[in-house]
Amino acid sequence: DSGVTQTPKHLITATGQRVTLRCSPRSGDLSVYWYQQSLDQGLQFLIQYYNGEERAKGNILERFSAQQFPDLHSELNLSSLELGDSALYFCASSVGQGGESPLHFGNGTRLTVT
Amino acid sequence: GNSVTQMEGPVTLSEEAFLTINCTYTATGYPSLFWYVQYPGEGLQLLLKATKADDKGSNKGFEATYRKETTSFHLEKGSVQVSDSAVYFCALTKNYGGSQGNLIFGKGTKLSVKP
Repeated sequence: DSGVTQTPKHLITATGQRVTLRCSPRSGDLSVYWYQQSLDQGLQFLIQYYNGEERAKGNILERFSAQQFPDLHSELNLSSLELGDSALYFCASSVGQGGESPLHFGNGTRLTVT
Repeated sequence: GNSVTQMEGPVTLSEEAFLTINCTYTATGYPSLFWYVQYPGEGLQLLLKATKADDKGSNKGFEATYRKETTSFHLEKGSVQVSDSAVYFCALTKNYGGSQGNLIFGKGTKLSVKP
């Protein structure tokens, strides 16, 4: 058990809809990262927050947004969903801002867009 | 830009066979290198890491050596077990003094070990 909790585990929705994925980091970790895992793109870094502030941005679409709340949990919002957004979305956390700090991953939220 | 290339899978081995999964990287500066493992239905777990040239990371019988001259970080294990069946990801991150740390992953190599 990594200590990172993601909800829900599975999500099925229709194109054009909006969903929110939630992540609670490991106790004591200040950084939260979001990754998208799909068969064709592999694991892609989306965005990182550190102690409530956006720290780094990767391949995140404009239709996607995220935030980290004062209690350090994070939410990833996906809107105007398309079939191609179907993927496994992982949240990870680390103690520091990155560099050598290992990441601890949750078990992911599987999103299916129909 | 920074990137990681690892061997295509799947790799199928018999129990107690020797394992090598190749990983090479492209990066400016001095990245830290990692191997993560993903067991079925779970998130990724850090397997081992190396932060500078010639460092050897090791864990659970797996090891990998940071080779700057060949920009490689190949994963090896002398005798695999059925329980090692998983997807293995090579990754790198830059040491920016803590200002950025997102991981860049390879595409993953699926390992299946048969009894």
